[in-house]
Amino acid sequence: GENVEQHPSTLSVQEGDSAVIKCTYSDSASNYFPWYKQELGKRPQLIIDIRSNVGEKKDQRIAVTLNKTAKHFSLHITETQPEDSAVYFCAASGSGGSNYKLTFGKGTLLTVNP
Amino acid sequence: NAGVTQTPKFRVLKTGQSMTLLCAQDMNHEYMYWYRQDPGMGLRLIHYSVGEGTTAKGEVPDGYNVSRLKKQNFLLGLESAAPSQTSVYFCASSYSGIPNSPLHFGNGTRLTVT
Repeated sequence: GENVEQHPSTLSVQEGDSAVIKCTYSDSASNYFPWYKQELGKRPQLIIDIRSNVGEKKDQRIAVTLNKTAKHFSLHITETQPEDSAVYFCAASGSGGSNYKLTFGKGTLLTVNP
Repeated sequence: NAGVTQTPKFRVLKTGQSMTLLCAQDMNHEYMYWYRQDPGMGLRLIHYSVGEGTTAKGEVPDGYNVSRLKKQNFLLGLESAAPSQTSVYFCASSYSGIPNSPLHFGNGTRLTVT
């Protein structure tokens, strides 16, 4: 099955700096890569996603890049703010009969220091 | 429109006891999922359903059973709870299969097995 590795597990930045979280996946047939943000004690919420036919997608201060050849994708947050502090999860969809499911990375705890 | 509602929010069980977690969605979603979240492990899929009357195993199904008798409800059962099942359980739903529609998560159920 699909395996998703996420790095780093923790990331601390100063307010206004950029943050980058990286993920790799194992199944070359995976075609959908969402990112979820989970604030402390709350539910995961989708913040951005990218499909395999697109190399980059941007939404205000958040961007995601995808390198299909290398099987990795990254989340970029610019001009970080304290409210960006949360756990971020990357995920990848399975292929074929597994395309109903998402496999998640283990998460990155991002702390933005004021 | 309440979205995805999970009950109960908290529960403490003794080893060997049984219980059922209820997930209800009012968005007319076809697909429903149960995940467990453990520290440093991300979200792992327990079971999922692609429509009323269907269920399928995910990554970590052992010790759990599920039922989808009604489209809006997805029940997760623990027949004989074990301390290893101490976790936060999240239910999610989606209108159609990934990647055509995103996952919507409930607020989670924190289960402790002593």
